[in-house]
This record gives sequence, structure tokens and C-alpha cells, in this order.
Amino acid sequence: GAVVSQHPSWVICKSGTSVKIECRSLDFQATTMFWYRQFPKQSLMLMATSNEGSKATYEQGVEKDKFLINHASLTLSTLTVTSAHPEDSSFYICSARDPPGQGRDQPQHFGDGTRLSIL
Amino acid sequence: QKEVEQDPGPLSVPEGAIVSLNCTYSNSAFQYFMWYRQYSRKGPELLMYTYSSGNKEDGRFTAQVDKSSKYISLFIRDSQPSDSATYLCAMSEAGTALIFGKGTTLSVSS
Repeated sequence: GAVVSQHPSWVICKSGTSVKIECRSLDFQATTMFWYRQFPKQSLMLMATSNEGSKATYEQGVEKDKFLINHASLTLSTLTVTSAHPEDSSFYICSARDPPGQGRDQPQHFGDGTRLSIL
Repeated sequence: QKEVEQDPGPLSVPEGAIVSLNCTYSNSAFQYFMWYRQYSRKGPELLMYTYSSGNKEDGRFTAQVDKSSKYISLFIRDSQPSDSATYLCAMSEAGTALIFGKGTTLSVSS
């Protein structure tokens, strides 16, 4: 099955620093990747859709300058949380979708998430 | 009204029980329906994927989609303690982002 790898799994850093999270599709090429945020006991909230070779599409209320997304290749998307503050502490999860098959959308496969703690 | 409604539980059952998890939705344009399992501090793991209406079975898991009622279900037979997790339903229109339910927390006791 499709495998999505996310790194790091856990990061603790000081307020004001920037943190980069990587999302890789290991055995397939993903033209589209997605970034989600999840608070404790809550469902996943879509932050942005990352498109290879073009700008990401952000959901309403998500700050583009705060959460920088780069999708430079068909297997790698990165999320950089700039000038992180304690309120940015959360569980960030990426996903990638298999290439379309038989003209239909394919399901998304998720990474194991990154737990970000800002002190 | 939220697009996808899912009872958060928690749901507690004894080992071997049949578990029924459900979601309702309001958007009749949804075509793709998924169930994910999420263990604590892990990303969601795809369990079942269904296009349009119908039933799908995979081992102890059965997914049902009733588009006329805007209702989807996941059944788990012979539940095991290792099935204890949060189960998320998700759905989408063609080419759009997934819309998730809030997730149902399941606990299977031995």
C-alpha cells in the first residue's frame, strides 16, 4: 500500500523559532499533498492543499505567511511554521493521494504526524 | 448543520462484539467515502474506501454507503482489544478535499 513518511515525529522548540516539517510519499508520486492540524480529541482540520510546482491553496483563516508550504517535487512537500508561538503547538499531519485510477479519485494516505510543542 | 455528523462516543464493547459506527452527511454531491482508524498520537490509517453506494467487505470490516439516506456505516465483527482506537469517517466530492467527521472513540475490553 501507499506509504507516506513524515519527519520529525516530535519537535520542541523555543518561541520565535521556525520549524520545518517534511512529508514524503515513499512509493508513489503525489502531485497533491494536504496539510492538516489536529487538536486533542478533535478531528482533522485542513490547513492547505499543496500542489507540486505551484502555490499552495490555503483554507480560510490559515495565515499563508505563518505556514509556508513548498512542494518542490512529486514526492516531497514541506510545511514551515515561521516565528512559532505557543498557540501554534499542535499535531500536524500530512497526506498524499494516489494518482487517479479509472478516472476516479483515490484515497488519501496519511503520515504519522508531527507533534509540535512551542515553549 | 455540519456537513458530516459523527457521534464521538466513547463506545465501549466486550471482546468479540459486533461494533457499528455511523456517519450522516448533508452534501448529496459526496461520491467518495472512507473510514480511517487513528491510534493515539498517530496519523489516520485507511481502513475502507468506497466509491458511490454499496457495501464493501475486508476481513472483519464491512463498510456500507446509503446515498439515498446520506448515511454511511462501518461494522467490525469479532472485535479485538487492538481495535481500540478513534474511527474517523471522511468523504469528498470528485477532486475536492476530504471532509472528516469528529471521530468515534472505541474501546474493546478483553
